[in-house]
Amino acid sequence: QVQLQESGPGLVKPSGTLSLTCAVSGGSISSSNWWSWVRQPPGKGLEWIGEIYHSGSTNYNPSLKSRVTISVDKSKNQFSLKLSSVTAADTAVYYCARGDLIRFPNAFDIWGQGTMVTVSS
Amino acid sequence: QSALTQPASVSGSPGQSITISCTGTSSDVGGYNYVSWYQQHPGKAPKLMIYDVSNRPSGVSNRFSGSKSGNTASLTISGLQAEDEADYYCSSYTSSSSWVFGGGTKLTVL
Repeated sequence: QVQLQESGPGLVKPSGTLSLTCAVSGGSISSSNWWSWVRQPPGKGLEWIGEIYHSGSTNYNPSLKSRVTISVDKSKNQFSLKLSSVTAADTAVYYCARGDLIRFPNAFDIWGQGTMVTVSS
Repeated sequence: QSALTQPASVSGSPGQSITISCTGTSSDVGGYNYVSWYQQHPGKAPKLMIYDVSNRPSGVSNRFSGSKSGNTASLTISGLQAEDEADYYCSSYTSSSSWVFGGGTKLTVL
């Protein structure tokens, strides 16, 4: 069974770059899935950040596109998020999630446990 | 992109049915049958409950059902149980080749 695990610094300075990695276990990142990042500010709703296919094709939230880069490392079976020029508004729990193109092509069927990132000096 | 519109809260007694609405535009909810619903308990990751408007993944109770009319999708939970108390989020594909979530609805089982 596929599992996702986020990792990265829990504290990032304002104007810095937030960097997170999502490790995929129990399956291949090169299978027919899109891999997404979703975030949730404390006490607020979910916000989709972007997604990547193993080929490197990406789609991003238009409101975040200028600051977001999502990449894939097939050799390590993981994908990553970089969010630049962060402010306190980027403080959130960050989740990675899977979109199974075969069974659930238009939904997120597997989620990581989430990792809290705080932007503060 | 703007979040889909959901009621902030709904409530119901055990055994009753409730419906949560999710309103978007013709560029998202109304334009595609790609609406999904997620259940989130406090401190936990979201769980997929409904996909493609009205389909349930294996293992999800048939007390959960989804529908759509125009730019509004709905999630109905019948036979409310205490464990249904959670936050619920809708999501839709958009014409910008992106995904958008609703603001979330807190369900209270009285």
